[in-house]
Amino acid sequence: GENVEQHPSTLSVQEGDSAVIKCTYSDSASNYFPWYKQELGKRPQLIIDIRSNVGEKKDQRIAVTLNKTAKHFSLHITETQPEDSAVYFCAASSDGNNRLAFGKGNQVVVIP
Amino acid sequence: DVKVTQSSRYLVKRTGEKVFLECVQDMDHENMFWYRQDPGLGLRLIYFSYDVKMKEKGDIPEGYSVSREKKERFSLILESASTNQTSMYLCAVKGPNIYEQYFGPGTRLTVT
Repeated sequence: GENVEQHPSTLSVQEGDSAVIKCTYSDSASNYFPWYKQELGKRPQLIIDIRSNVGEKKDQRIAVTLNKTAKHFSLHITETQPEDSAVYFCAASSDGNNRLAFGKGNQVVVIP
Repeated sequence: DVKVTQSSRYLVKRTGEKVFLECVQDMDHENMFWYRQDPGLGLRLIYFSYDVKMKEKGDIPEGYSVSREKKERFSLILESASTNQTSMYLCAVKGPNIYEQYFGPGTRLTVT
């Protein structure tokens, strides 16, 4: 099955700087790559996603890039703010029943 | 948005007890999922269901079973709870977007 790896496990950034989280996947048939944000004590929520026919997608301060050849995709957060502090999960799917294989998560800490 | 509720936010059970965790959705969606979340291990899929009375094993089904008698309700059953099943349990429902999953608030289960 699909295996998704996330790096780094913890990332600390100064407020206003950019944060980048990278994920790799193993199944070349995967065609959907979402990112979920989980704030402390809350449920994971989808923040951005990308399909395999697109190389980059942007939504305000967040963007996701996909490199199908290298089988990796990255989340970019610009102008970080304290409310960006959370655990971020990447995932991948190629399954007709819409199973998502999640990475282990990245703790992002934005230092004011 | 899809509304997903779980029967309890916190639950304490004794070793050997039978435990039922319930998940209810407010929309007519087929696919429902049960995950457990542990620090450093991310979100791991236990079971999922793509229709009433249909179920499929996820990545870590051992020690668990599920029930889907009605479309809106998906139950996770621990036949004989053990201390290594102490965890956060998250239910998810696939929404109208082809792949997006909506999560419930989670149940933190402690087995003593």
